[in-house]
Amino acid sequence: AQSVAQPEDQVNVAEGNPLTVKCTYSVSGNPYLFWYVQYPNRGLQFLLKYITGDNLVKGSYGFEAEFNKSQTSFHLKKPSALVSDSALYFCAVRDRNTGFQKLVFGTGTRLLVSP
Amino acid sequence: DTEVTQTPKHLVMGMTNKKSLKCEQHMGHRAMYWYKQKAKKPPELMFVYSYEKLSINESVPSRFSPECPNSSLLNLHLHALQPEDSALYLCASSRTGDSGNTIYFGEGSWLTVV
Repeated sequence: AQSVAQPEDQVNVAEGNPLTVKCTYSVSGNPYLFWYVQYPNRGLQFLLKYITGDNLVKGSYGFEAEFNKSQTSFHLKKPSALVSDSALYFCAVRDRNTGFQKLVFGTGTRLLVSP
Repeated sequence: DTEVTQTPKHLVMGMTNKKSLKCEQHMGHRAMYWYKQKAKKPPELMFVYSYEKLSINESVPSRFSPECPNSSLLNLHLHALQPEDSALYLCASSRTGDSGNTIYFGEGSWLTVV
């Protein structure tokens, strides 16, 4: 079965510093990988995705992610964090076993950016 | 425009009530989804509709009954719920359900069962 792992429950970073939120995946075949962000008491907002092509994917709000097939990773990055980036971040993969109909989420990583 | 609209935003219902959650999208998407999210947990898939037909039911109890009246609307009918069903219910849609298309989520409906 397809799965994603987010090894860190929380990431703390100072405003202006670079941030990384880690994600590793386990799939059969080529993965379809996604990052979503959830602000308190809100729905999920799509940030970016990797389907094929360039390993560095750029998304919304200055976020980017690097697909690394050999390390089965899809870490989310931003060069300079903002306090407003503080939120819950989910990595997800579309499940090949259900014809890609099912989006399987990691457990989430809370990002806390301090002023 | 990537908007999925859910109503109501908040719902409090008793265990004997019947209520419905509604979801609408006008992006021409042909796949629609219901997810359930408990506090501090990832969303869990409940149902997938593809071209207005139910394609996935993740062994959801029958007290939850989905309905897709047309390609733009998705309902979740609720009956005889339990307090443990209290959660954020997220509707989502994508262009189709069978590829790497992005799934877009609504803001959710907060359900409290008393």
